Amino acid sequence: DQQVKQNSPSLSVQEGRISILNCDYTNSMFDYFLWYKKYPAEGPTFLISISSIKDKNEDGRFTVFLNKSAKHLSLHIVPSQPGDSAVYFCAASDNGGATNKLIFGTGTLLAVQP
Amino acid sequence: DADVTQTPRNRITKTGKRIMLECSQTKGHDRMYWYRQDPGLGLQLIYYSFDVKDINKGEISDGYSVSRQAQAKFSLSLESAIPNQTALYFCATSESLSNQPQHFGDGTRLSIL
Repeated sequence: DQQVKQNSPSLSVQEGRISILNCDYTNSMFDYFLWYKKYPAEGPTFLISISSIKDKNEDGRFTVFLNKSAKHLSLHIVPSQPGDSAVYFCAASDNGGATNKLIFGTGTLLAVQP
Repeated sequence: DADVTQTPRNRITKTGKRIMLECSQTKGHDRMYWYRQDPGLGLQLIYYSFDVKDINKGEISDGYSVSRQAQAKFSLSLESAIPNQTALYFCATSESLSNQPQHFGDGTRLSIL
């Protein structure tokens, strides 16, 4: 049973436009959510996170939105740049983060066209 | 230099062989993790360690073992490799505080023939 789902395997956007990546989860005990970016032949790189006590967190061009009632989070990238082209993973943890164990989605490949 | 270093980066071996993947970190984190990624799937947790004396199984620990030799070193072993263990393996570290991100190495691509 997949607890964290990224239903879009890929997404293509034009440079300068907004990229919106989506993630759904099923476990209502999840209380900490993260987004990672992964380039080929590299490990995942932490991008941004959000605690369940918030509904929005912003860091430069990246904003994560959390809708707890819908069990849905999204990552907005504005404006999108060609260097943002990568696989994006969402991840979640529970137990108040005591174990920092993460459950990952399957990833979305973002292609930003110049 | 990378904060989380994995060796080797690539390995091809045969069924039945014993393999060790190594991970070292300079971040000073107590917690270390081993993940596996298969094509089209997310990362799955194999083992994790909160400190040298505390090692725990993850979701897919069967066929694997680990050793935490020091705070900075965490190795993953496949005692008798089988082809369905062909995958990309990642090591990660995190601080011991709650709600902390994990920091990943660049991975080991393992192929078992």
